[in-house]
Amino acid sequence: AQSVTQLGSHVSVSEGALVLLRCNYSSSVPPYLFWYVQYPNQGLQLLLKYTTGATLVKGINGFEAEFKKSETSFHLTKPSAHMSDAAEYFCAVSDKDDYKLSFGAGTTVTVRA
Amino acid sequence: DAGVTQSPTHLIKTRGQQVTLRCSPKSGHDTVSWYQQALGQGPQFIFQYYEEEERQRGNFPDRFSGHQFPNYSSELNVNALLLGDSALYLCASSSYRGYTEAFFGQGTRLTVV
Repeated sequence: AQSVTQLGSHVSVSEGALVLLRCNYSSSVPPYLFWYVQYPNQGLQLLLKYTTGATLVKGINGFEAEFKKSETSFHLTKPSAHMSDAAEYFCAVSDKDDYKLSFGAGTTVTVRA
Repeated sequence: DAGVTQSPTHLIKTRGQQVTLRCSPKSGHDTVSWYQQALGQGPQFIFQYYEEEERQRGNFPDRFSGHQFPNYSSELNVNALLLGDSALYLCASSSYRGYTEAFFGQGTRLTVV
């Protein structure tokens, strides 16, 4: 069974500061990994994904994440936070032949002016 | 491309009633998955439909049932509603062949009173 742990339920950063959201997973096989963002009262929007190949993946809105198999991690970063980055962020994992996503509990990001 | 569309966006039901939620997948997608997102939590997988059959199911009681139509659209039915069924219900679509990611709809907010 797969599981996802997101360290820190709330993260507060200053505008222009680094955003770092941590995600660790457990999986018996090499997984597919995803980061989704959710704005209030909306669905989930895919930020980026790792399926195969390069372990550093770039997504939308300046976000990127690195798959580290040895650490079973897939942390999300953005060099400079913008007010519009305030939202809920979810890390998710699925097996390559399994379309079921297992989500972490989410991290709420607030951005201070 | 309209993306994944869900209806209705909001609804209020009374305990014991039955509810049907609807989802139209993204153009070109043939697989639909349903998720329940309780307030302040990550989405939880309910079940998945492909070729009009339930392919996978999460840890949800039989009160939760679904259907997929020949045009790939799907319904989620919940019988004998409980207060704890209040949540955001998300539909996700993907392609069964060459799966790499799921696209989510905006969700249906169900409130059980």
